[in-house]
Amino acid sequence: GAVVSQHPSRVICKSGTSVKIECRSLDFQATTMFWYRQFPKKSLMLMATSNEGSKATYEQGVEKDKFLINHASLTLSTLTVTSAHPEDSSFYICSASPPGGSYEQYFGPGTRLTVT
Amino acid sequence: GIQVEQSPPDLILQEGANSTLRCNFSDSVNNLQWFHQNPWGQLINLFYIPSGTKQNGRLSATTVATERYSLLYISSSQTTDSGVYFCAVEQGGSEKLVFGKGTKLTVNP
Repeated sequence: GAVVSQHPSRVICKSGTSVKIECRSLDFQATTMFWYRQFPKKSLMLMATSNEGSKATYEQGVEKDKFLINHASLTLSTLTVTSAHPEDSSFYICSASPPGGSYEQYFGPGTRLTVT
Repeated sequence: GIQVEQSPPDLILQEGANSTLRCNFSDSVNNLQWFHQNPWGQLINLFYIPSGTKQNGRLSATTVATERYSLLYISSSQTTDSGVYFCAVEQGGSEKLVFGKGTKLTVNP
């Protein structure tokens, strides 16, 4: 199967700082990647769709100025949490689908963000 | 939007037992996937199954698209099967997945 990586796997930052999370497709090119958020013991909720070479599209209720997404290449999307607050603490997971038409999504290992 | 309901929410088994997890969805879908989330949070692809039946070792899945449900069967369960099992669906060609709330499986030795 396809491989998606994320970095870092966990990060602790102070309130008010910004944190960047990287998502990479290692063995395929992805024009579209997806960012999800998961609270403890909860399901995954889609935050935004990252589009290579164009602006991301955000789901309703997700602040685009707080969660900046950049999809600068066909193998890399980044999510920057700006001016982080403790309520931004969560598990962030990205996904991508290899080209070929089946739309099967593969997920990265996730990044656990803790804001103190 | 589409609703995805999984049952049961929690399941506790003894090692060696069989189980069936269910996923109901409220509208027609283009894509349905089953995942296992391990204790470290990694989502592992189990099946891509918008319709029909597939088997992979001790696991198998069936999706009856016309009746809007999918079943995941786990046979001869092992302690390593513990974790949360998610069903996720996509409709309309958007590639966006909508997840159910998951079934938390605990397999005791």
